[in-house]
Amino acid sequence: GQQVMQIPQYQHVQEGEDFTTYCNSSTTLSNIQWYKQRPGGHPVFLIQLVKSGEVKKQKRLTFQFGEAKKNSSLHITATQTTDVGTYFCAPSRSNDYKLSFGAGTTVTVRA
Amino acid sequence: DAGVIQSPRHEVTEMGQEVTLRCKPISGHDYLFWYRQTMMRGLELLIYFNNNVPIDDSGMPEDRFSAKMPNASFSTLKIQPSEPRDSAVYFCASSLGVGWGINPYEQYFGPGTRLTVT
Repeated sequence: GQQVMQIPQYQHVQEGEDFTTYCNSSTTLSNIQWYKQRPGGHPVFLIQLVKSGEVKKQKRLTFQFGEAKKNSSLHITATQTTDVGTYFCAPSRSNDYKLSFGAGTTVTVRA
Repeated sequence: DAGVIQSPRHEVTEMGQEVTLRCKPISGHDYLFWYRQTMMRGLELLIYFNNNVPIDDSGMPEDRFSAKMPNASFSTLKIQPSEPRDSAVYFCASSLGVGWGINPYEQYFGPGTRLTVT
C-alpha cells in the first residue's frame, strides 16, 4: 500500500490553542481519508479529500490536500477536551477501497 | 441501523487454541474489511471482501489466519492455532461501494474484539 508518515506522533495541547497534524507521502496520492479514534474506541470517518489543493472545514477542523497531492493536513482551532484521541490519515488508490492507515497523531489536551 | 456488530468484544484464550471472531456488516454495504491494531504495528488491513468474495488477502500474516464471508450479513476471522503475538484489537469495517451515497469509500468500523492470547 501507499506509505505515509504522520507528524507529530504525539501532540500535547493547551485547551483553547490551535494545532496542526501532517500526513506526508513520497508518492502522489489519489485521495485521502481522515479518521478519529477516541481512547478505547474505534476509528470514525471524518472526511475524504480528492482534489488537488482541496480544503474542507468541519466546524473547528480544517482539512487540506496539498497541490501536488503528496501531503495533507488537519488543523484544529480552539482545542477542546472533546478533541482528545488519535487522528489517522488513510490514503487510497483511485477506485480502490483498500486504505493504508498512517501511524496516527495522538492528541492530549491540558485543561 | 445498529452499525457494524462484532462478537465477542473480549476474548482471552490460551496459546494453541482456535479463536473465531465474528462480524455483521451494515445492511446493504458491499465491502467488508478486517483490521488488526497493535501498539507496535498500528492499524493493519488483513483482508477485504466485495460482495462476499475475498479481493485482497495480502495482509493476512500467516496460514494460521483465515477469513470467510458465507453471505452478505456475516463474516468470520479464524486463528488456528493462536499465539501470544496474535494479541491485538481486531476491527471489522464495512463500506457502501461505488454508486451509493455521498462517500461510498467511507468505512464504518465496529467496536472491535480485544484478543488476548496467553
